[in-house]
Amino acid sequence: QKEVEQNSGPLSVPEGAIASLNCTYSDRGSQSFFWYRQYSGKSPELIMSIYSNGDKEDGRFTAQLNKASQYVSLLIRDSQPSDSATYLCAVRRWFGNTPLVFGKGTRLSVIA
Amino acid sequence: DVKVTQSSRYLVKRTGEKVFLECVQDMDHENMFWYRQDPGLGLRLIYFSYDVKMKEKGDIPEGYSVSREKKERFSLILESASTNQTSMYLCASSFREGSGANVLTFGAGSRLTVL
Repeated sequence: QKEVEQNSGPLSVPEGAIASLNCTYSDRGSQSFFWYRQYSGKSPELIMSIYSNGDKEDGRFTAQLNKASQYVSLLIRDSQPSDSATYLCAVRRWFGNTPLVFGKGTRLSVIA
Repeated sequence: DVKVTQSSRYLVKRTGEKVFLECVQDMDHENMFWYRQDPGLGLRLIYFSYDVKMKEKGDIPEGYSVSREKKERFSLILESASTNQTSMYLCASSFREGSGANVLTFGAGSRLTVL
């Protein structure tokens, strides 16, 4: 099993809909979870981080974490064409200064 | 704004050449990383460094080496470039975990083509 798994997509949603992006991870000891957005030809940029079980909201974005089930998700409400990008899930495996492990990303396409 | 600057946006090299990819950050970050990104394979960690003169192997270090002589600069070296090292190379930096906002910030990337 890969460490961090995401559906590669593409995930197509109509403008104004909710986009739901999912990520599962294999290491039960993982502590920190991140969502990065990467536009085509650009480098990744952080949009959300989450450390505790439950939901964390930031504007149109909500990150959800369930450590018991080892999944983390990102909801994008009122999706816009400008949200079309690849979304990368990243996990920090343990406490301390360890590098992130990235999933391969899910390509989201928001159709106007 | 944190700036992570990669010296070359596009490079074309020949097989067997020695290649240097330079990365400089201006926010006094302790941690620096080199990733490569390939279609279908995602971001893979090559090497990272938590301090000057320190380096740790990532998931795919074979064929690469790194140098960190100054805190702000982290260099990736391909001793003898091969065609399978054609890729997008991304440098990133962050503060040490637990020392504040531990956001990983990326440079714009260096697209290397090895002929």
